Amino acid sequence: SYILTQPPSVSVAPGKTARITCGGNNIGSKSVHWYQQKPGQAPVLVIYYDSDRPSGIPERFSGSNSGNTATLTISRVEAGDEADYYCQVWDSSSDHHVVFGGGTKLTVL
Amino acid sequence: QLQLQESGPGLVKPSETLSLTCTVSGGSISSSNYYWGWIRQPPGKGLEWIGSIYYTRSTYYNPSLKSRVTMSVDTSKNQFSLKLNSVTAADTAVYYCGSLNSSGSYPYVDYWGQGTLVTVSS
Repeated sequence: SYILTQPPSVSVAPGKTARITCGGNNIGSKSVHWYQQKPGQAPVLVIYYDSDRPSGIPERFSGSNSGNTATLTISRVEAGDEADYYCQVWDSSSDHHVVFGGGTKLTVL
Repeated sequence: QLQLQESGPGLVKPSETLSLTCTVSGGSISSSNYYWGWIRQPPGKGLEWIGSIYYTRSTYYNPSLKSRVTMSVDTSKNQFSLKLNSVTAADTAVYYCGSLNSSGSYPYVDYWGQGTLVTVSS
């Protein structure tokens, strides 16, 4: 089955740029979606199809995907961005399975 | 805008069957643009996809849970359900239902239920 690898944690100072990676074999050939989850809450979609933002998600959130790495970028980080972030792909090669990365805890210093 | 709400027992005994239902409002469960999925999250851990069902009743299960999972859909009630049998403490988790937007080639979860904690304990 397809495996997505995320760093367990990323730390960033307020106002700086955070980059959270999601690694997978030739992930650039797939579309990657990203979710934000704050403690005690359900996940929220923040990026879909590599770089599209749902309505209501700030422009500070962006995404890219190439080769073996997809990246979620959060510019001008705010304290409210502190959360767990998960990447997700649809692995159609293995009977239509949803695959999540292990998640990255973003800490705002 | 879709709204999803999980319901079911919060406590299940070991070796018994966990049963949850997700009620969908704000849209039809018979939409061709959606799969309907279950995702769980053990305390302090990451998200794990359990399975998905289409309104045609086609199902797709996580291989690691496939032998114990059954999903179904009730179009008359706009609901879909999860059954997980032979549960152990390792199945203790927050269980989410979600709508997998399949309008494109790579579905994603655009709406989530609030989640329900299911504890497996005697």
